[in-house]
Amino acid sequence: DSGVTQTPKHLITATGQRVTLRCSPRSGDLSVYWYQQSLDQGLQFLIQYYNGEERAKGNILERFSAQQFPDLHSELNLSSLELGDSALYFCASSVGFRDTQYFGPGTRLTVL
Amino acid sequence: GQQVMQIPQYQHVQEGEDFTTYCNSSTTLSNIQWYKQRPGGHPVFLIQLVKSGEVKKQKRLTFQFGEAKKNSSLHITATQTTDVGTYFCAGPGSGYSTLTFGKGTMLLVSP
Repeated sequence: DSGVTQTPKHLITATGQRVTLRCSPRSGDLSVYWYQQSLDQGLQFLIQYYNGEERAKGNILERFSAQQFPDLHSELNLSSLELGDSALYFCASSVGFRDTQYFGPGTRLTVL
Repeated sequence: GQQVMQIPQYQHVQEGEDFTTYCNSSTTLSNIQWYKQRPGGHPVFLIQLVKSGEVKKQKRLTFQFGEAKKNSSLHITATQTTDVGTYFCAGPGSGYSTLTFGKGTMLLVSP
C-alpha cells in the first residue's frame, strides 16, 4: 500500500460524458501527478500540481483538466469523453520536486 | 521532450534464467529511476541512479547507469515467478520535476 488513494476504482461511462477522478496523496506529500496508461501509449504524464498550483503539463488534452485543493487532494476532470480515453489513470504523489513518486492503485475508465 | 527507449518490449523466461532490460536516451540524463508494475497493479519505485557508471544491487536485481549517463540496465539473476511484471525506466521529463517513462519491458516467468 503506497498511501495514495484513488476513487473510484472502476468507471464505465458513455461517449460525450464527463467524469471526475479523485486522488488523495500520501500524508505530507505536496506534489500530485496524473498519468494515463494505455496499452499502446504506455505511461503518459498528464499534469503535476504542487501545493495547489499547477507545476508542469504533459500530454494532457484540452478536454481534460485538473486541480489540487487546499487539503492537497486532487481531481482530474475528463469531459466530452471518447472511446480512446479508455485507459488506466494513475495518480502519484511525492514530497516535493524530483522525489520518489508513489503511485495510487489507479482508476480504470471504460468509455462505451 | 526527452524520450527514453526501452528494450525488449517483452521477454518470456524459464524460472532460474537471467533477465536484462535496457533503457536508452539520446540525451544525457541527470538521473534515471526504475519502477516495477505487477499485473493488475500500479508502478512501484525500485531505485534511482544518479552517478555516471553507478551500479546498485537489490538482492537478485542489479541496476547500472552508463558512463555517459545515456543508458541504463536492470539485470535479474535467477528469475523467480515473483519477478513477473513490467519494468519501467524513467528519466527526467520536460518539466523540472516530471518523469518520462519508457514503454516498459514485460517479463513473464514460467515455473
